[in-house]
Amino acid sequence: QVQLEQSGTEVKRPGSSVKVSCKTSGGTFSSFPISWVRQAPGQGLQWMGRIIPILDIANYAQNFQGRVTITADKSTSTAYMELSSLRSDDTAVYYCASDRGASAGSYSAYWGQGTLVIVSS
Amino acid sequence: QSVLTQPPSASGTPGQRVTISCSGDNSNIGTNTVNWYLQLPGTAPKLLIYNINQRPSGVPDRFSGSKSGTSASLAISGLQSEDEADYYCAAWDDSLNGVVFGGGTQLTVL
Repeated sequence: QVQLEQSGTEVKRPGSSVKVSCKTSGGTFSSFPISWVRQAPGQGLQWMGRIIPILDIANYAQNFQGRVTITADKSTSTAYMELSSLRSDDTAVYYCASDRGASAGSYSAYWGQGTLVIVSS
Repeated sequence: QSVLTQPPSASGTPGQRVTISCSGDNSNIGTNTVNWYLQLPGTAPKLLIYNINQRPSGVPDRFSGSKSGTSASLAISGLQSEDEADYYCAAWDDSLNGVVFGGGTQLTVL
């Protein structure tokens, strides 16, 4: 059974950066894309980007271009999402998910428990 | 403003059949498959339907999906109280080169 374990709650100041980790187990980490999705309080889901670990290639949602970096460490089966220049409206729960299927036909089959990031002065 | 459009709410009584719509355009639903996710309060989303109408192992056959043109639908038959949750549609968007979600539909079982 594939499991994704995310790092804990973060409290950050505006203008700083946050790096959230997502450790996977029970599956072949390198072969499947890892997506990052966030959910602001009381709001819907927003896709941020994803990485294909075996290729070390990431692509990002236009809304986050230049502010988000997604990386993967194949040796520890861990993916990371770093968001910079934090603003108060970046306060959200950030989820990682392990995708299945091919490119445009992919879907997020397994999800982490979520990491709350609070941005406050 | 979400790229895919869902009704913000839906409701039904136990045993009823409910459908939730998801509208997009030719760069997303019109060209690519559609996935549906269920989210219970305070929990992570869970895959409910993938590739338009496929159910992951463990998802009851009361849940079904369909697509026509640039719209998709999720149908829930034999509605149960535990179906009360938020439902999201999602698809790859060729123009945006990424995944787009609907705004979510909050389902209430009366």
